[in-house]
Amino acid sequence: QKEVEQNSGPLSVPEGAIASLNCTYSDRGSQSFFWYRQYSGKSPELIMSIYSNGDKEDGRFTAQLNKASQYVSLLIRDSQPSDSATYLCAVNFRGGSQGNLIFGKGTKLSVKP
Amino acid sequence: GAGVSQSPSNKVTEKGKDVELRCDPISGHTALYWYRQSLGQGLEFLIYFQGNSAPDKSGLPSDRFSAERTGGSVSTLTIQRTQQEDSAVYLCASSFGHHNEQFFGPGTRLTVL
Repeated sequence: QKEVEQNSGPLSVPEGAIASLNCTYSDRGSQSFFWYRQYSGKSPELIMSIYSNGDKEDGRFTAQLNKASQYVSLLIRDSQPSDSATYLCAVNFRGGSQGNLIFGKGTKLSVKP
Repeated sequence: GAGVSQSPSNKVTEKGKDVELRCDPISGHTALYWYRQSLGQGLEFLIYFQGNSAPDKSGLPSDRFSAERTGGSVSTLTIQRTQQEDSAVYLCASSFGHHNEQFFGPGTRLTVL
């Protein structure tokens, strides 16, 4: 069973704080991992891709991957109210159907001014 | 370059009518996906096209749903004899390469009265 698990939230952080979003997945052999941001009433927008263990930074966003522990996280530094959205974790599983990309149900982030 | 486009952006129909939703993927992307998202819910995989291979239809909820992809590019999702439970946002995504980095269109909001 291919699963991607996220805490549904809501996760509430004050403006300027670090928001930490976490995701676990079931297939140890997975190779590609993504974070999408979805504003209310909009479609998901790809914000980070990570393929190797360790950290990948892009502006205020850092994706962290630990394949041994089967988790991937997204850190948002200096959180802004405009970061308030639902964040979807997606994992590209080996083989199988659904084009191999399995989405978590998302974590709702609220950044309070 | 242009992103994924979908039309119409909104569709209101009466129960029992057929509807067609269109997706135009990013040029050069070989894979195309249809998802459904009901209000406040996660993404529900519907169908996946990869190149000239037979589509993966494992997510289609009933035989009222069908999709085709002509010339390896534009795709049409058809829902016959629509029901109120078909009301949702229908999202299309496309990708290229083995990492399966998917880019979403803006979606079609379907309302069945």
